[in-house]
Amino acid sequence: KQEVTQIPAALSVPEGENLVLNCSFTDSAIYNLQWFRQDPGKGLTSLLLIQSSQREQTSGRLNASLDKSSGRSTLYIAASQPGDSATYLCAVKYSSASKIIFGSGTRLSIRP
Amino acid sequence: EAQVTQNPRYLITVTGKKLTVTCSQNMNHEYMSWYRQDPGLGLRQIYYSMNVEVTDKGDVPEGYKVSRKEKRNFPLILESPSPNQTSLYFCASTPRQGSYEQYFGPGTRLTVT
Repeated sequence: KQEVTQIPAALSVPEGENLVLNCSFTDSAIYNLQWFRQDPGKGLTSLLLIQSSQREQTSGRLNASLDKSSGRSTLYIAASQPGDSATYLCAVKYSSASKIIFGSGTRLSIRP
Repeated sequence: EAQVTQNPRYLITVTGKKLTVTCSQNMNHEYMSWYRQDPGLGLRQIYYSMNVEVTDKGDVPEGYKVSRKEKRNFPLILESPSPNQTSLYFCASTPRQGSYEQYFGPGTRLTVT
């Protein structure tokens, strides 16, 4: 069964720290992987999309890596800020025609 | 502004009373889908549509219907809502099926009593 797991479910760190969020998937033959941010009571905002042929993508203070052989992706957030507090979800697509499978997310809290 | 809109944002209803949640996108996207989000279960796809008049079931379609008569609209219909359909619902769109970013609506919080 194709599953996407995010551990830990919640994380609290002081402002200014660099941090890493983890995403693992059971089937390494992915098509692409996407990281989202979800603020309370709001929809999902796409942060980064990594194609299966790529190893990483960067946007500002965010860097997402992909290691298909180990079934893992990480989202690195540099110099964290209170505004980064949100739930971060990763989602995996296994083919162009397949559905997207979401992890249950990591709730991140940045302490001022 | 490119966006996906949903209405209503919040709805409390009673068991068995038919309801429709609307979804509209202004980006001329072909592919649209509906998800529900429940604590501990993440997002699960209910239905999706690859284009006008083309719809198919996702992971949890029971109790739901959809239609795609126009490219921009993809309403979700609950013919006879039940309490287990209490959830947070999201509509999403993407230019075409394949390797594109998904754009999500703001969500509809539905409570069925």
